[in-house]
Amino acid sequence: QSALTQPRSVSGSPGQSVTISCTGTSSDVGAYNYVSWYQQHPGKAPKLIIYDVNKRPSGVPDRFSGSKSGNMASLTISGLQAEDETDYYCCSFAGRYVVFGGGTKLTVL
Amino acid sequence: EVQLLESGGGLVQPGGSLRLSCAASGITYSNYAMSWVRQAPGKGLEWVSTTHDDAGTTYYADSVKGRFTISRDNSKNTLYLQMNSLRAEDTAVYYCAKRPGRGIFDIWGQGTMVTVSS
Repeated sequence: QSALTQPRSVSGSPGQSVTISCTGTSSDVGAYNYVSWYQQHPGKAPKLIIYDVNKRPSGVPDRFSGSKSGNMASLTISGLQAEDETDYYCCSFAGRYVVFGGGTKLTVL
Repeated sequence: EVQLLESGGGLVQPGGSLRLSCAASGITYSNYAMSWVRQAPGKGLEWVSTTHDDAGTTYYADSVKGRFTISRDNSKNTLYLQMNSLRAEDTAVYYCAKRPGRGIFDIWGQGTMVTVSS
């Protein structure tokens, strides 16, 4: 049950796009199309922003999109806004357990 | 409005026990699997345990297997986490979350802090 690998930080300017990668193995990300992404502001509970690799819950802007290729999933945020600056976590179903990534801090320059 | 409210956190000595509760409102609680996810101070999220809607199937992270027990009372719309043999590394904010599908946590509580220290 090793954590998925995410970059510790990424950055981008307002209006630009950024992509956060999430690397797993053939037992988790590569095995299932059940990757989700969470946004977490400091001191707050996580918020679901992507599920089943590329689906958005109601109310999440279409600036947020997800994809997957092999053992790596990605979250792309387009048209960066100041309020996007926070922490993001990927998550994958892995059969009898669930594994999260270590988290990525997004800085909007 | 869907709401999950955790309680039961606090300070406990190493080797001690604690039981967390999570009360659900605004949903047909018995229809959903529920999970516990924790976050150590300044660290990332860690899945802890999941129970299916009928409580007949449960799963645990290796880090808590044999020490923690997840359970639910559908008549009270409440989820529990019994934590025994607590260690310093169990110190974290514990969140309960509604799990409508595999690897999906769509509703989260506000979290309850557990501190294991002498």
